[in-house]
Amino acid sequence: DGGITQSPKYLFRKEGQNVTLSCEQNLNHDAMYWYRQDPGQGLRLIYYSQIVNDFQKGDIAEGYSVSREKKESFPLTVTSAQKNPTAFYLCASSPDRANTQYFGPGTRLTVL
Amino acid sequence: AQSVAQPEDQVNVAEGNPLTVKCTYSVSGNPYLFWYVQYPNRGLQFLLKYITGDNLVKGSYGFEAEFNKSQTSFHLKKPSALVSDSALYFCAVRDASGGYQKVTFGTGTKLQVIP
Repeated sequence: DGGITQSPKYLFRKEGQNVTLSCEQNLNHDAMYWYRQDPGQGLRLIYYSQIVNDFQKGDIAEGYSVSREKKESFPLTVTSAQKNPTAFYLCASSPDRANTQYFGPGTRLTVL
Repeated sequence: AQSVAQPEDQVNVAEGNPLTVKCTYSVSGNPYLFWYVQYPNRGLQFLLKYITGDNLVKGSYGFEAEFNKSQTSFHLKKPSALVSDSALYFCAVRDASGGYQKVTFGTGTKLQVIP
């Protein structure tokens, strides 16, 4: 899992609540990513950020929001607008143009 | 558009036997290709990548992969499987051309090594 930390490991949310997932890296990587993993579907890109104070929507950004105020941090907020948020969320960072990605340990979000 | 296919949902192999996990890709330009491994309830771990040069790429834990441009494949291999290799394996691709390009991941292949 390298120098990328995600917290919490498990998160339970009631319907209608917003929750924020933390992602911190000490690898000095410029680029950071958020993915959602569902069984049998691989990884789907939610948001990415190539530099501080800039981020872009990925393939499934609806119902999610992010910020990138510091190089080390890229928190993801799952809003009440996300219809099916129960999933495993993975944060990653990349140091190179090839986009080699290094992943955190993940956060499993369950909506009750 | 870029895509990657892992045609086998699961591969079973006996401990000590060679293993192969298959991956084919599609990109408009040249590919950057990656293999990752995921253990239960953990993040993905980078195994190896092909950028350019030698078609046979060696990576972590004794794994290697062969880039075959004519067959658009990048199969993962290991000469002798260990029970501890049992995990979920993901192939990934990005187009090497242009500026930023996202990485597209396959749906994963579960490797089961039988003692």
